[in-house]
Amino acid sequence: GAVVSQHPSRVICKSGTSVKIECRSLDFQATTMFWYRQFPKQSLMLMATSNEGSKATYEQGVEKDKFLINHASLTLSTLTVTSAHPEDSSFYICSARDGRALAGGPRETQYFGPGTRLLVL
Amino acid sequence: SQQGEEDPQALSIQEGENATMNCSYKTSINNLQWYRQNSGRGLVHLILIRSNEREKHSGRLRVTLDTSKKSSSLLITASRAADTASYFCATDANAGGTSYGKLTFGQGTILTVHP
Repeated sequence: GAVVSQHPSRVICKSGTSVKIECRSLDFQATTMFWYRQFPKQSLMLMATSNEGSKATYEQGVEKDKFLINHASLTLSTLTVTSAHPEDSSFYICSARDGRALAGGPRETQYFGPGTRLLVL
Repeated sequence: SQQGEEDPQALSIQEGENATMNCSYKTSINNLQWYRQNSGRGLVHLILIRSNEREKHSGRLRVTLDTSKKSSSLLITASRAADTASYFCATDANAGGTSYGKLTFGQGTILTVHP
């Protein structure tokens, strides 16, 4: 079936440093990937849409200069949290979708990564 | 902004009982999807129902969609302790008939199934 991986699964960093999170589609080509953020006991909030070969589209209220997204290939998107602060501590989850029907599922199905827990001290 | 509202926020049942979760949304949609999330983990896609469908089944799951009321329900029959998780609905908004895949998630229902 379709698998999406994220790396690292957990990261602790000091305030002011930058952190890069990778999202990979392992067995399919993802023309579009999405980045979500989830605070404790809350729902997922879409941050940005990452399209291969073009600039990411950010949701309202998400600082594009702070959350840098690069979708360099059809299987990899990266999210870099620049100059991280404690309020950026959260669970970051990516998802990927392909226009083809994967594993017999609907074309619109998104496949989520396992998430990256970021703690900024 | 979040458009999906789910109720109940928390549901506690005994193994073998059925669990029903509801989701309401505000805008026109292409499809509505249900996901499951175990504590601190990623999301698992459960079922997708398109705007022109009214009911869908997958194993012990049954999903209904009422576009006139902008609501959906997820029924888990014969629940098991392993069903304990958070369940989210997510809507894929209709933008001129095109799905861009941008999902708006509901607040989720925390389901606890006691053995």
